[in-house]
Amino acid sequence: SQQGEEDPQALSIQEGENATMNCSYKTSINNLQWYRQNSGRGLVHLILIRSNEREKHSGRLRVTLDTSKKSSSLLITASRAADTASYFCATGNSGGSNYKLTFGKGTLLTVNP
Amino acid sequence: DTEVTQTPKHLVMGMTNKKSLKCEQHMGHRAMYWYKQKAKKPPELMFVYSYEKLSINESVPSRFSPECPNSSLLNLHLHALQPEDSALYLCASSRWGLAGGRGTDTQYFGPGTRLTVL
Repeated sequence: SQQGEEDPQALSIQEGENATMNCSYKTSINNLQWYRQNSGRGLVHLILIRSNEREKHSGRLRVTLDTSKKSSSLLITASRAADTASYFCATGNSGGSNYKLTFGKGTLLTVNP
Repeated sequence: DTEVTQTPKHLVMGMTNKKSLKCEQHMGHRAMYWYKQKAKKPPELMFVYSYEKLSINESVPSRFSPECPNSSLLNLHLHALQPEDSALYLCASSRWGLAGGRGTDTQYFGPGTRLTVL
């Protein structure tokens, strides 16, 4: 069963605006990761946040993690047309399924020039 | 070199054909993965190799047969596929093997092979 659920499923914004995507999950995790996928291509790792971290930054990306609410958010600031892609959260679970990442359904982000 | 390469990029095959997908990484990673991704869906894990040994098979039909000839190469042999097997097949690698839950560390993906089964 899928662990992460992204919200919204689709997001359309103008270039220069900020984009926020949310991810909720159900079980205990070791870490939570965000990946980007351009249409029909492979996934690119963006950022990993461990379960004992609350916030992490990488360039224009800011990720937060609230383990009490089992949720994470990805903020992309000053968006560009090149940020148009699908964004997936993936949880690294602790416990019985700790050998694999479980991907959410993804958010399709469209940045209009 | 932080690249995972996959060949071919596109593959069209009939249901009676035998074909193979190839994946290569030269990052010294010790875990390699095959995923299947249908349109507008997330990747689904198929197989995991850890230290060149098949560690995980996510109940994949036997018409898909993985092989890891060495630590840098991963193949997926295809035989008697069905049209519903048409999908993007992604290979990934991660630095460590699966011991201690390390399979949940950062994974590096190849560009994928777009497979169409007629």
